[in-house]
Amino acid sequence: DTAVSQTPKYLVTQMGNDKSIKCEQNLGHDTMYWYKQDSKKFLKIMFSYNNKELIINETVPNRFSPKSPDKAHLNLHINSLELGDSAVYFCASSQAPREGLSYEQYFGPGTRLTVT
Amino acid sequence: EDQVTQSPEALRLQEGESSSLNCSYTVSGLRGLFWYRQDPGKGPEFLFTLYSAGEEKEKERLKATLTKKESFLHITAPKPEDSATYLCAVQAYSGAGSYQLTFGKGTKLSVIP
Repeated sequence: DTAVSQTPKYLVTQMGNDKSIKCEQNLGHDTMYWYKQDSKKFLKIMFSYNNKELIINETVPNRFSPKSPDKAHLNLHINSLELGDSAVYFCASSQAPREGLSYEQYFGPGTRLTVT
Repeated sequence: EDQVTQSPEALRLQEGESSSLNCSYTVSGLRGLFWYRQDPGKGPEFLFTLYSAGEEKEKERLKATLTKKESFLHITAPKPEDSATYLCAVQAYSGAGSYQLTFGKGTKLSVIP
């Protein structure tokens, strides 16, 4: 069974369009994340959701909006796509971090977004 | 600002040639250091978590160690299937009850038969 799944795997679209990427986890985790991996393979946190509340937003343009309908899902909606948004986007999940405890994150397979 | 630097950027080894990958970090209030493996076209796969200086963890041909400033991933007698990009990440408290994971740029390992 897939632990963290994302759809679509590939997404090709034109500048100015609006698109969404879906993520689902079946691990029972409380926290979900979105990461962006650029052309240089650098993986950087975009958002984190804990119990449906946004707790991290790392200098991401407000064209990007995460939506969490429930604990198992965290979707990423992108408005007015730009060339620079081309990258691979990864969803991840983990148990909720707590004082003194760190939990590993489990990643989905990624969505390769190409903006033309 | 938390920083994670991995070296070398790329490493080519002959099968059976042992070596080490380095991850140096600067972070306030380290909660954990993580090693991940990433194969082309896939998401990172969790390998190890280290919490305190002196700690070591092993899995098959891999052994991860941690000091106060860096971590090493030792690969003993590697095989071609160990070829991948190895990512190091540190987790620290980032305020408002959240713990941020900061990744290094990775070391791309190629093991030649």
